[in-house]
Amino acid sequence: QSVLTQPPSVSAAPGQKVTISCSGSSSNIGSNSVSWYQQLPGTAPKLLIYDNNKRPSGIPDRFSGSKSGTSATLGITGLQTGDEADYYCGTWDSSLSAVVFGGGTKLTVL
Amino acid sequence: EVQLVESGGGLEQPGRSLRLSCTGSGFTFGDYAMSWFRQAPGKGLEWVGFKRSKAYGGTTEYAASVKGRFTISRDDSKSIAYLQMNSLKTEDTAVYYCARQRGYPPGHFDYWGQGTLVTVSS
Repeated sequence: QSVLTQPPSVSAAPGQKVTISCSGSSSNIGSNSVSWYQQLPGTAPKLLIYDNNKRPSGIPDRFSGSKSGTSATLGITGLQTGDEADYYCGTWDSSLSAVVFGGGTKLTVL
Repeated sequence: EVQLVESGGGLEQPGRSLRLSCTGSGFTFGDYAMSWFRQAPGKGLEWVGFKRSKAYGGTTEYAASVKGRFTISRDDSKSIAYLQMNSLKTEDTAVYYCARQRGYPPGHFDYWGQGTLVTVSS
C-alpha cells in the first residue's frame, strides 16, 4: 500500500491530453514539493518534473506539473506512442522521515 | 555528462550479505546526497535510504523495511556510494538503483543509474 495514491492506469489517443493524479496528506504533498518520474519499459526512472512544476533541461513542455493542497497532477499533451511508460509521483513525508512514492500509473497511448 | 553506474548485484542466500556500489562521474560527487531505491519484479519504486553530503553532516535516513539491516556509506575520494545489505530476506529481491539527490529535505532525484539486480533465494 503506497503512501501516495495514483490511478493504476490511464489511456488516451495519440495527440490527446492526459492527466495523472497523485493524492497524499498534509505530512507529505501538503508540506513538501512533488516530483514526477517516467519509467519506460526495462529502463531506470527519469526525472520529468521537480518542485511541483519545474521541468529539467531536455524535458519538453508537453509535460507539466501542478500542486494544490495535498494533491498533485502531471499533465501530458500531444501524446506520442513513445510516452507509453509508468509514471510515479514522489515527495518527502515529514512524519515518516521517508521518501514516499505513489504506486505508479501505466500510460497507454491507444 | 553525469553518470551513475551500479554494480555488485547477484544471487545471494537468505541471511547472507551483499554490498552494492554506485560509481558517479561527470559531477563533484562529494557535493551531493546520494539515495538508493529498489524495485521488486513487477512492482513500483521503493526508497531504501540516503546519505547526505559532508556539508550537510553526512547524515543517513533509511526506510523502515531496511533499517538496522542496510547501511549506506560513501567514499567521496573515489566517487562511490555503497549499500551494505545484511541479513538478506527473499523480499529484498529487486533491481536496486542509486540516484543523485537534490534539495533538503530530499526534494527530487535528477540522475539515476541503470540498476543492478539482487536476487535473494536459497
